[in-house]
Amino acid sequence: QQQVKQSPQSLIVQKGGISIINCAYENTAFDYFPWYQQFPGKGPALLIAIRPDVSEKKEGRFTISFNKSAKQFSLHIMDSQPGDSATYFCAAISNKIIFGKGTRLHILP
Amino acid sequence: GAGVSQSPSNKVTEKGKDVELRCDPISGHTALYWYRQSLGQGLEFLIYFQGNSAPDKSGLPSDRFSAERTGGSVSTLTIQRTQQEDSAVYLCASSLRGPSGTEAFFGQGTRLTVV
Repeated sequence: QQQVKQSPQSLIVQKGGISIINCAYENTAFDYFPWYQQFPGKGPALLIAIRPDVSEKKEGRFTISFNKSAKQFSLHIMDSQPGDSATYFCAAISNKIIFGKGTRLHILP
Repeated sequence: GAGVSQSPSNKVTEKGKDVELRCDPISGHTALYWYRQSLGQGLEFLIYFQGNSAPDKSGLPSDRFSAERTGGSVSTLTIQRTQQEDSAVYLCASSLRGPSGTEAFFGQGTRLTVV
């Protein structure tokens, strides 16, 4: 079974701080790595995504760092805000979307 | 509609009964996915439809689970003889093409409770 391992399970960050969530994968056939954000009672929504030929992608306060040799990638949320409090899922894609188990992020006001 | 629509939004059923969950994907999207999300857990892959190809059923947990997609559009996930461990949120998603490189849009899910 293809796997994506995500950590931490939960994270508390002060407002204005940097939130960092890490993921690791095993299958080198994965060719697309999205991050999804999910608020309570809602379905996940795409936040940002990266291909393995790129080491970093930035969109506003959100950055993905990708280390192909280590088979790891991470999400950095700069200047974290209370509105960022949500559950974040990393995913890896080859012929289907495989999700990590999620990180529940809470930003303290 | 503008997004992926799932119905019902909530379903309470008695153990042993059959249930059908419906998903209306975004018009024109060729790929459709079903996932299961248990309380505090991640998204467990169930089944993937792509165009007219045979679906990838590798994630279905038992033969009590089945899904079909009619006319390349609406999909129905059926759970027969429901068990309490089937209680979860069932999420449907669709994407314009296959999963790689295209955004998968999720519905709000169907919360299934088996009592």
